[in-house]
Order: sequence, then structure tokens, then C-alpha cells
Amino acid sequence: DAKTTQPPSMDCAEGRAANLPCNHSTISGNEYVYWYRQIHSQGPQYIIHGLKNNETNEMASLIITEDRKSSTLILPHATLRDTAVYYCIVRERGAGSYQLTFGKGTKLSVIP
Amino acid sequence: GAVVSQHPSWVICKSGTSVKIECRSLDFQATTMFWYRQFPKQSLMLMATSNEGSKATYEQGVEKDKFLINHASLTLSTLTVTSAHPEDSSFYICSAREDGNTEAFFGQGTRLTVV
Repeated sequence: DAKTTQPPSMDCAEGRAANLPCNHSTISGNEYVYWYRQIHSQGPQYIIHGLKNNETNEMASLIITEDRKSSTLILPHATLRDTAVYYCIVRERGAGSYQLTFGKGTKLSVIP
Repeated sequence: GAVVSQHPSWVICKSGTSVKIECRSLDFQATTMFWYRQFPKQSLMLMATSNEGSKATYEQGVEKDKFLINHASLTLSTLTVTSAHPEDSSFYICSAREDGNTEAFFGQGTRLTVV
């Protein structure tokens, strides 16, 4: 899997948008960008994934640059419950590629 | 999304004893299950991958005789930590995948403390 680089920590005011960046400059053409988060003492939770187009679901939006070398996860209206470690993972989506390699992630603190 | 349940959520055991952790897929058949370990302030590290009815594949550095994995049915995998020692204290997390689905879903984790 390609490596990713994320800032170790970020703060965000409650109610504001949280923008979490991720660099994946060595991503290959068949690798997707996945985002998971882990609230303290819980298992990881899937958020969103994408290949090259921007994606949106009920949890977040994913913006991928045109060259696919970086992406941003956007939580449009952060709440205190969004405080967690956010992991950006790139992996090939296909047969045999089910493992997830977790980096250190970004610890997001949502502040009242 | 699909639901994966781990039991127990936390366990305290004495050094030298064995502990079994269960991972169940509640609403799908899990062809593949993964076991991760997470030490405090660190990221998740994959320990092993198991396919139903087959022997687990362990990651480098993980002792297969110490961490016994059984995946005898499509809804249940177990991880047994044998002869546990304090250094085995960690957060153990499983994830499960259904055949034909590339996504895997995570359990809530089990906090093991060996005293």
C-alpha cells in the first residue's frame, strides 16, 4: 500500500467545518483513498472512500486533487462527538486487497 | 453498514492464564476476518488474517502458538491469547469481510489487561 502523511493533530471549533488533509504522493492508478476514524477505546469506523472524483455521504465529503497526490476529508459541521483519530489509507480495491495498513492518523479535537 | 461484535469488551486476567476473545458478524457471513492489536498511543497493527475453514496467516513477528486463531464458522472467529503476560496487555480489534464485498467492518475492540 502507498504511504500517507497526515498532520499529527488538529483542533476545530464546534459547529465549524473540519478539514483534514492527507498526502499520498506515491498513490498508483488503481489505489483508492479511504478514511476511517477511531473514537477513543473503540474500533475504527469507516467514513468514506474515493478514487478520483469528489465524494460525499451523510458523514463527510472527500476532496481528491486532480493529480490524486493529496486529499482532504471535510466534516461540514463538527460536533464534540467527532473528536477522534482520523486515518487516511490508500489501498488497491480488488481481489486479495482487503487488508488495511493504519498509519498514525490525525487526532482531531473538537473544541466547544 | 454491517455489524461486527466482539466479546468481551474488556477482560483482566492473571499472568500465565489464557484468554479467549470472540468476534462475530451479526448480519453477514464473514469469509475473512482480521485481528489487530493496538498499544496505547499507537496505531493498529495487523496480527493475522483468517479465512473460514483455513489456517490463519500471521504477520511477521506474531507468534502463532501464542495467539491462536480459530475461524470455524462464517460468523465467528476467536483469538486465544495463551499464557498471557503483562506485555500482552493491549486493545485487540477484529474486522470482518463478506465474500464479494471488498469492505471490512470493525468490532468495538477488547481491552485486555494482564496482571
